This record gives sequence, structure tokens and C-alpha cells, in this order.
Amino acid sequence: GDSVTQMEGPVTLSEEAFLTINCTYTATGYPSLFWYVQYPGEGLQLLLKATKADDKGSNKGFEATYRKETTSFHLEKGSVQVSDSAVYFCALSGPPTNSGGSNYKLTFGKGTLLTVNP
Amino acid sequence: DSGVTQTPKHLITATGQRVTLRCSPRSGDLSVYWYQQSLDQGLQFLIHYYNGEERAKGNILERFSAQQFPDLHSELNLSSLELGDSALYFCASSVVSGNPIETQYFGPGTRLLVL
Repeated sequence: GDSVTQMEGPVTLSEEAFLTINCTYTATGYPSLFWYVQYPGEGLQLLLKATKADDKGSNKGFEATYRKETTSFHLEKGSVQVSDSAVYFCALSGPPTNSGGSNYKLTFGKGTLLTVNP
Repeated sequence: DSGVTQTPKHLITATGQRVTLRCSPRSGDLSVYWYQQSLDQGLQFLIHYYNGEERAKGNILERFSAQQFPDLHSELNLSSLELGDSALYFCASSVVSGNPIETQYFGPGTRLLVL
């Protein structure tokens, strides 16, 4: 079945450091890929997404490129801020099942806790 | 604020009990998804409803059930609760059901503690 593997955390960085959180996936067909962020005590918010190979999703200085050849969707930011401290989830949404059903559930990685210190 | 509301925010109950979690999707959204977030299992998909009909099931226990009502709000019923059911339960909504690139908007979650 579909699966997402994220780098283990926690990740601790100083403000203005460069961030990379690795994400690889296993899926049939061509899934859509997402990064969600969860701030303390809150629900998940969509950070960015990409729907086909070589697409680059970007938002709030974060970027991720859909790499089909390496089945990866690594999250990057050039200069992190204290306010970026949160848990980051990589996720995929698959194409229709062979049975013809519609199932666009999100399959999530285990999440990566990022702490940015001033 | 995603526009998705969930009640209650916190729930403390005892083993063997039954609880109902409620979710109101964003205005106009027809799909509701339920997810469970626990320390050992991470975020897992439970069930998907579209316009009142069940569309897909994930790792949902037989003790759990859900429904979506004509006004599109959804309820997740958890019965014969066990300690291991303690988790954060999220619902998410999206406009339709049939487009994998569609964004799912998450509610703030209901934190369930079973003692």
C-alpha cells in the first residue's frame, strides 16, 4: 500500500539557518504530494502541495519539488524563524482505486518536530 | 481558522464507555474525513463521507462508526472504549470527492482521554 517516510526528528536549528526535511514515498500511479504543518495545540494546516512530477510547491518561504525519479518531496527553507517551530507532516493522496471507488485519503508520514532557537 | 469546527475540544471518559465526536465542515464542502493521531500510530485515516454516503474506510475499528447528516455535519461514534483509544481525532473537509489534488482543511481536533 501507499506509504510516506520522513526523516526522524527532532530537528533543532538556530534562527536564519537552512532547513531540509526529507520525505520519500511509495505509491502506485501518480499521487499528489503535500506538506502540512501543525503548530502547538492546533490542527493541521496545508503548507504546500504539488500534483505532478517536477512541480514545485511553495508558500511562506518553504519549497518542495515533486521528484518522481527519486520518489521524493523534500521540504526546504532558506532561513528559518522562531515562528516556524512546529511539527511538519509529509503526505500523499492517491489516484482512484482499481475497484473504481473514490478514496482520496491522505497517507501521512510520522511527522518531524522542528524547533528554531533565537 | 480553517472553517472546520469540532466539538468537544477535550473529552475524558472511562473504559467501556461510548462517546460521540462532532464535526462541522467548511461551508459548501461535501466531503468529510476522519483521522486519528496517536503517539504510536501517527496520523491514520479512519473514514470518508461524501454528501451523506460512506466512500472509503481506513483503519477504523468495528467499535467505531460514523455518519454524515443531511446538513453535512458528521459524527464519529466510539464505543466500548479502551485505554488505547486515547488520541487526538481530527476531521477534515474538502469541496467534492473525486479530485486527489483537492486540499483537505482540518479542524482543531478533539482530544480523547480514556481512563
